[in-house]
Amino acid sequence: QSALTQPPSASGSPGQSVTISCTGTSSDVGGYKYVSWYQQHPGKAPKLMIYEVNKRPSGVPDRFSGSKSGNTASLTVSGLQAEDEADYYCSSHAITSNAYVIFGGGTKLTVL
Amino acid sequence: QLQLQESGPGLVKPSETLSLTCTVSGGSISSRDHHWAWIRQPPGKGLEWIASVYYSGTTYYKPSLKSRVAISVDPSKNQFSLRLRSVTAADTAVYYCTRERTSTSIDWGQGTLVTVSS
Repeated sequence: QSALTQPPSASGSPGQSVTISCTGTSSDVGGYKYVSWYQQHPGKAPKLMIYEVNKRPSGVPDRFSGSKSGNTASLTVSGLQAEDEADYYCSSHAITSNAYVIFGGGTKLTVL
Repeated sequence: QLQLQESGPGLVKPSETLSLTCTVSGGSISSRDHHWAWIRQPPGKGLEWIASVYYSGTTYYKPSLKSRVAISVDPSKNQFSLRLRSVTAADTAVYYCTRERTSTSIDWGQGTLVTVSS
């Protein structure tokens, strides 16, 4: 039950696109459609950005999109804006001895 | 608008039990579509899911914490609670309560910092 693997950092200039990966196993990311992405600004609670791999909650800009291939999920942020600078975490439904949720280690996104 | 509010001691001594309660307002904890979860974040570190509970009392735990954790629900008070036994400094974190649907935390409390120290 190690954490899902995310790159520690990612960056891009305003207007560019950036993709953050989230790698797990067939017992979590690869086995279920329940992958989510959260955005967290300093000192704030996380905010849901993507759920069930590629669905956006109401109010989340369509610049944010999600996908999955095999054991790796991805979050793409298009048309980067300054306010997108934040930490991003992926999570997935997982089952080993019992069902639970596993998080990635987080990625610090910097808008240059 | 659903709101979640964590409450409990901000300081716990090593080896003792951490106890937190989450009060849900603006919605019913007896919803058949949701689970209720605790997630924590040590200072400067990432998120860690701890446990979740259904209104019926069915529980789910992170395997590595299962031996020390108990989550419970009280529909009459619209609250759910977390107990973490035998705490150490490694349990120092901001603890969030959340509303879950399909393993996704769709609503979050503001979080409460619990420090383990003598």
